[in-house]
Amino acid sequence: EAGVVQSPRYKIIEKKQPVAFWCNPISGHNTLYWYLQNLGQGPELLIRYENEEAVDDSQLPKDRFSAERLKGVDSTLKIQPAELGDSAVYLCASSLDAGPYEQYFGPGTRLTVT
Amino acid sequence: GQNIDQPTEMTATEGAIVQINCTYQTSGFNGLFWYQQHAGEAPTFLSYNVLDGLEEKGRFSSFLSRSKGYSYLLLKELQMKDSASYLCAAPNSGAGSYQLTFGKGTKLSVIP
Repeated sequence: EAGVVQSPRYKIIEKKQPVAFWCNPISGHNTLYWYLQNLGQGPELLIRYENEEAVDDSQLPKDRFSAERLKGVDSTLKIQPAELGDSAVYLCASSLDAGPYEQYFGPGTRLTVT
Repeated sequence: GQNIDQPTEMTATEGAIVQINCTYQTSGFNGLFWYQQHAGEAPTFLSYNVLDGLEEKGRFSSFLSRSKGYSYLLLKELQMKDSASYLCAAPNSGAGSYQLTFGKGTKLSVIP
């Protein structure tokens, strides 16, 4: 079966510019996660969706970050405007459902803000 | 939330056995995960422990002691390809809440 797909894999932008990341989870997975991972750190949850509903977005910096998961499948994460500190890898993951299920991660988008 | 602690780096020799420890502090418990992450790649699932004891899966085993808030990942017959970061992760407590909190990861270097 196809894994979690993310695009783009790499993105370089200047500060104050907008950027968007796209994620297509594994077919049939109801729960979708966006994580941020800095170098040498573990992933940190930004937002979790159950179907199309954002059920945990307490870690999402809402002044500049937004996310959506229309129709409960694909999801986009947007940053506007980007800041230098946003340089990181943005990982998308999905799991069968909410619960102690294995999460399957996509390859991530490496964002560099200059 | 959870507080998870694991060593930053470890080095071991090809063919040897290495144990990567993880301690956690939690107000509730919903199991403990181990993930492997090669440099520049996505984390991949290794194991999930919810009961005390050792679970073996090929060359990899994972141990859990809930009373001690302690887990370890045991890698046997180390191979060069095992060089990676190993992430310990625990779900937050609370009914229906399965937000994973990850440790910072242990970077394992396997040398010839």
